[in-house]
Amino acid sequence: GQNIDQPTEMTATEGAIVQINCTYQTSGFNGLFWYQQHAGEAPTFLSYNVLDGLEEKGRFSSFLSRSKGYSYLLLKELQMKDSASYLCAVTDSNYQLIWGAGTKLIIKP
Amino acid sequence: ETGVTQTPRHLVMGMTNKKSLKCEQHLGHNAMYWYKQSAKKPLELMFVYNFKEQTENNSVPSRFSPECPNSSHLFLHLHTLQPEDSALYLCASSQGQLSGANVLTFGAGSRLTVL
Repeated sequence: GQNIDQPTEMTATEGAIVQINCTYQTSGFNGLFWYQQHAGEAPTFLSYNVLDGLEEKGRFSSFLSRSKGYSYLLLKELQMKDSASYLCAVTDSNYQLIWGAGTKLIIKP
Repeated sequence: ETGVTQTPRHLVMGMTNKKSLKCEQHLGHNAMYWYKQSAKKPLELMFVYNFKEQTENNSVPSRFSPECPNSSHLFLHLHTLQPEDSALYLCASSQGQLSGANVLTFGAGSRLTVL
């Protein structure tokens, strides 16, 4: 079966750095997404990786290793507003999106 | 308005009621989706419409009935629901459907409680 694993919950301190991991086992691979979802709000697109390596966008970076079936989202200089759930999703060979259950990130002052 | 708008934001219904969820997108997208989001579970794809044609129905019970009158509007008609159907129902849209880099734009969701 197809599966995406990510930690259920993580806690970090304001101003620090946190890495949220995502491992996947899917039928083929056509890209990996990270979405951010604040409580009671719509998920919003953060990043897309299809080739191995690191994509940087301001305070957020996303890394992909296709051979390891592994990605991480790196958040630097954490702010209180970064408290949210982070959803990892993979597009398989049939262009179906397979979702992880999300990681709830709690930022403490 | 811009983006994807869902109404109502909150809905409480009995098991014998009939209600509808509405989704509207102003992005000029051609594909629209219904997802179910339950606590601590992955998003579950329910239905997909591409150019107003239903292209996915992921074994969803018949008590959920989608309708897509045009590429900007999507409805989810609900009848004789069960308490386990209580969840957040998310609507999303995208430029197309079959693409690896298919970015979804989501609405804020309709929180459904079935008593």
